Amino acid sequence: EAEVAQSPRYKITEKSQAVAFWCDPISGHATLYWYRQILGQGPELLVQFQDESVVDDSQLPKDRFSAERLKGVDSTLKIQPAELGDSAMYLCASSSGTSGDNEQFFGPGTRLTVL
Amino acid sequence: AQTVTQSQPEMSVQEAETVTLSCTYDTSESDYYLFWYKQPPSRQMILVIRQEAYKQQNATENRFSVNFQKAAKSFSLKISDSQLGDAAMYFCALETSGSRLTFGEGTQLTVNP
Repeated sequence: EAEVAQSPRYKITEKSQAVAFWCDPISGHATLYWYRQILGQGPELLVQFQDESVVDDSQLPKDRFSAERLKGVDSTLKIQPAELGDSAMYLCASSSGTSGDNEQFFGPGTRLTVL
Repeated sequence: AQTVTQSQPEMSVQEAETVTLSCTYDTSESDYYLFWYKQPPSRQMILVIRQEAYKQQNATENRFSVNFQKAAKSFSLKISDSQLGDAAMYFCALETSGSRLTFGEGTQLTVNP
């Protein structure tokens, strides 16, 4: 069964360091999402891609976060420099479309701890 | 702006019993989708059930059903014949046309044997 892959599963870093997360969506899914989930809260969308184009990054802290999906397939989310408040689970999801008819499939997430 | 509220941080149920998780939402749109997602410990989030706002009939998926009250902006999830594998964090979510998926704070469900 096709799944969304993410790596690493866990990342511990010190503040001011750079970190990067990778996501490989389900094959054929044009839409890719990055969410941040703070412990005890629901996920919050950081960025949404349609193929290689960003369609929504209004909640992405652009001074330190960046995201790319160069070939419209896999994607990388980067934080530089990391801050203590960035500790969270970072979830990637993909779907075949953008409407509510199209289910979002989530990856296992990357749990980031910033010391 | 759209909001989703889950007023029950934690719920528990005995195995084989029925439990209902509550969710209220707010949106000015008339066309939208509502979802319940399940997030088991250390496992990925999966879609449990989906409801389209224009459909009056409540969605059902096996042991999971919803009570969709559009006028009251209420969307509760009923789990019948609860199983140990149902233990998880459950999130209610709302998506309107052209906007992002908005999640509630979640309800942690414990199933007691």
